[in-house]
Amino acid sequence: DIQMTQSPSSLAASVGDRVTITCQANQDISNYLNWYQQKPGKAPKLLIYDISNLKKGVPSRFSGSGSGTHFSFTISSLQPEDIATYYCQQYDDFVTFGGGTRVELK
Amino acid sequence: EVQLVESGGGLVQPGGSLRLSCVAFGFTFDDYAMLWVRQAPGKGLEWVASISWNSVYTPYADSVKGRFSISRDNAKNSVYLQMNSLRPEDTALYYCTKGLGSSSLTPSDYWGLGTLVTVSS
Repeated sequence: DIQMTQSPSSLAASVGDRVTITCQANQDISNYLNWYQQKPGKAPKLLIYDISNLKKGVPSRFSGSGSGTHFSFTISSLQPEDIATYYCQQYDDFVTFGGGTRVELK
Repeated sequence: EVQLVESGGGLVQPGGSLRLSCVAFGFTFDDYAMLWVRQAPGKGLEWVASISWNSVYTPYADSVKGRFSISRDNAKNSVYLQMNSLRPEDTALYYCTKGLGSSSLTPSDYWGLGTLVTVSS
């Protein structure tokens, strides 16, 4: 089974800060890596698919990168509306989510 | 506008059964895979099952294999999750999601609001 290790589990940052979350797979998952945002009490939303493809309508301050087993998700300039929990997800071998990263305002 | 509306959740005793339904609007249903994802209270996301556009492929998470069954009716724009032998650890909000593609393993690009399943005596 593919396991996804996401870090950190939580972080606090100020408006305008650059925020980076990492996700590591325990085996090569090619480009089958996605990122979701979940705001409190809401359903998750797909932000980025296949490592770096921004879903239509998602602000360009969100980006993704990586390859093989190591991936990262970046918010270039944190906005108040970005406060949420972010999840990575692999779909190379079945589907697995990372444990999530809660992003809070400092 | 894509809309996914789940129903069928509720309180059930351990060992019982429930059938979740999800009706889809706003896209050509039989062009896309559909997936169920659940979230236990205060916990993270867990993929449950997927179904390809033509129902040929239906992978399941190990935690539900042999107990849950996913199906779809393209004529009714609907996907279903039959849940048998329910356990307390199946308690969660169950989300119906639309696949980005047609194969069973694909990102979930739209999500419903979820339906709550509580397994308790």
